Amino acid sequence: EVQLLESGGGLVQPGGSLRLSCAASGFTFSSCAMSWVRQVPGKGLEWVSSISESGTSTYYTDSVKGRFTISRDNSKNTLYVQMNSLRAEETAVYYCAKFIFCESNGRWGAFDIWGQGTVVTVSS
Amino acid sequence: EVVLTQSPATLSLSPGESATLSCRASQSVGSYLGWYQQKPGQAPRLLIYDASNRATGIPARFSGSGSGTDFALTISSLEPEDFAVYFCQQRSHWPLTFGGGTNVEIK
Repeated sequence: EVQLLESGGGLVQPGGSLRLSCAASGFTFSSCAMSWVRQVPGKGLEWVSSISESGTSTYYTDSVKGRFTISRDNSKNTLYVQMNSLRAEETAVYYCAKFIFCESNGRWGAFDIWGQGTVVTVSS
Repeated sequence: EVVLTQSPATLSLSPGESATLSCRASQSVGSYLGWYQQKPGQAPRLLIYDASNRATGIPARFSGSGSGTDFALTISSLEPEDFAVYFCQQRSHWPLTFGGGTNVEIK
């Protein structure tokens, strides 16, 4: 079964840091680009960051550039995001998601597999 | 940034009725648009990718259409489990963006 399992969420003070992990199983992780998407409770979805299959290419939404770092360890089938200088408005459920097209030369497509999400609360 | 505007915000329908949800892009995204369903407390589920392709395991009552800036998701005959929030998402331009969602509720 294809599965993504996030961990690492929790309560952090404004300005603090947190690292989220996403353990993948049931597919060839190293062949698929991956992403983080967040959702403020009761609100819409916001794409945060994506990383290519090998990890050499990364993409970020403007609001997190310079503060968040996406990475992956293909030997451990795990995706990460290091989040620094967190803000209260970044309180959200953070999902990792897999792109539908693997080994596709950058034409990655939509998000076909999602984790269950991990809650990040930024509050003093 | 490509802004996706979904309408209506809320659609009140009865089981068995058909639903048509709209997603309009602020600039052309070609056919690179997907649709997701989300139920309370759950992660989104991919329904349609690249405007008109049903994802694995998605029933035939879900169909997508459109290209360029105007897209639609049609649910031909609503089942009780279809009442949920639906989001569109474009993958034509970075940053990837989502629409604000349409809530399909039971009338």
